[in-house]
Order: sequence, then structure tokens, then C-alpha cells
Amino acid sequence: AQTVTQSQPEMSVQEAETVTLSCTYDTSESDYYLFWYKQPPSRQMILVIRQEAYKQQNATENRFSVNFQKAAKSFSLKISDSQLGDAAMYFCAYRGSGNQFYFGTGTSLTVIP
Amino acid sequence: DAEITQSPRHKITETGRQVTLACHQTWNHNNMFWYRQDLGHGLRLIHYSYGVQDTNKGEVSDGYSVSRSNTEDLPLTLESAASSQTSVYFCASSDHSDNEQFFGPGTRLTVL
Repeated sequence: AQTVTQSQPEMSVQEAETVTLSCTYDTSESDYYLFWYKQPPSRQMILVIRQEAYKQQNATENRFSVNFQKAAKSFSLKISDSQLGDAAMYFCAYRGSGNQFYFGTGTSLTVIP
Repeated sequence: DAEITQSPRHKITETGRQVTLACHQTWNHNNMFWYRQDLGHGLRLIHYSYGVQDTNKGEVSDGYSVSRSNTEDLPLTLESAASSQTSVYFCASSDHSDNEQFFGPGTRLTVL
């Protein structure tokens, strides 16, 4: 089974600053999808951004962008101009040739006013 | 609007009792999934289904069962609840062509 590793259990950032959350994965597949999900205190899982492995261009959604390094099997999330509402647990996820998702253990992000 | 719902949102039960958690989606998705979320483990897959009458075991399926009699519902049953099954349970769904899983709001289950 594929494994997804998030090595930062907790991170903090000052409001309006930039923070990067790390994610690495292990796979033998060449075609796959990567995701970042946000889980605020409400527990609802919200898709933040996704990346297709065949696309070389890094995905961007407003203040959220990724640094996808396919050879290194790395998929980090950058949050620019951090806002108080960004405080949440962030999960990295992998989807390969099947329909199963594999999730990392999560990074808890605190935004300091 | 299409949605995915779970019930109950909170449940307290006793060791040894049978418990069923409901999941209902109106997306008309073929794929449905059950996860449990525990601190330090992220989300772990319990069971999943790719269509009516199809069910498959996930990473942590022991002590759990599912059945898929229609497209909309995938109930999760704990045959004999154990304290180790105290957790937050999430249901999710997706379609074959989707590159996203849509999640329900979660059910917090406590087994005393």
C-alpha cells in the first residue's frame, strides 16, 4: 500500500506570514493524484488543492499553492498571507490507479494574531 | 444541493453492544468509503464499496462490517463494540471520474 508521511505534527505561523507544510509519499505508480485537505474545528473535511502527477505545473488556488517534486515524491503546501481562518488540521492524501485515498497523519496549524 | 450526511453525530454505547452508523449521499456516487480518525493516525480506511452489492475490506476492518443495498447508503456496523473503537468516523463518496472525495460531517463514537 502507498504511504503518505507528514513529518510536522504541529506548525505555527504569524498572521499575514507564509507557512509551508511538508508531505512525502511512496509509490511505484507513475500516474496519480495528490491532495491537501483542511479540517477546521468543525471536523468537516474540505478540499484545499489537488495536483495531477502528469502535470508539471504546480497547482495554485488563491493563497494556497503546492511545490510538487515528482522525482523526490514530495508535495508541500504553501499558505501565503495566513489568516486566522486558516487554523486547522491539514491532511495530505494520495490517490493512485484505484479509487482509494491514502492519508497522512496530519499537521495542526496554529495562526498567531 | 447534493450532500453526504451521517447519523448520529454523537453516540455513546457500551462494550459488547452492536452499533450501526448511517451514511447517506445524494451525489449518486458509485464509490463510498468509511474511515476512522484517531490522533496520530490520520484517517484510516475501514471498508469501501464501488457499487451496489460490492464491499471491500480496508486497512482496519476487523470488528466492522458494511452492506451496500442501494447507491445512496453505506451503513457501518460494529458487531460487538470495543473500547478500542472509540473514535471519530467519517463517511466519504466519490465517482469514478472524480478526483476528489466528498466527506460527511463525522460521527463521534464513544464505547464505555
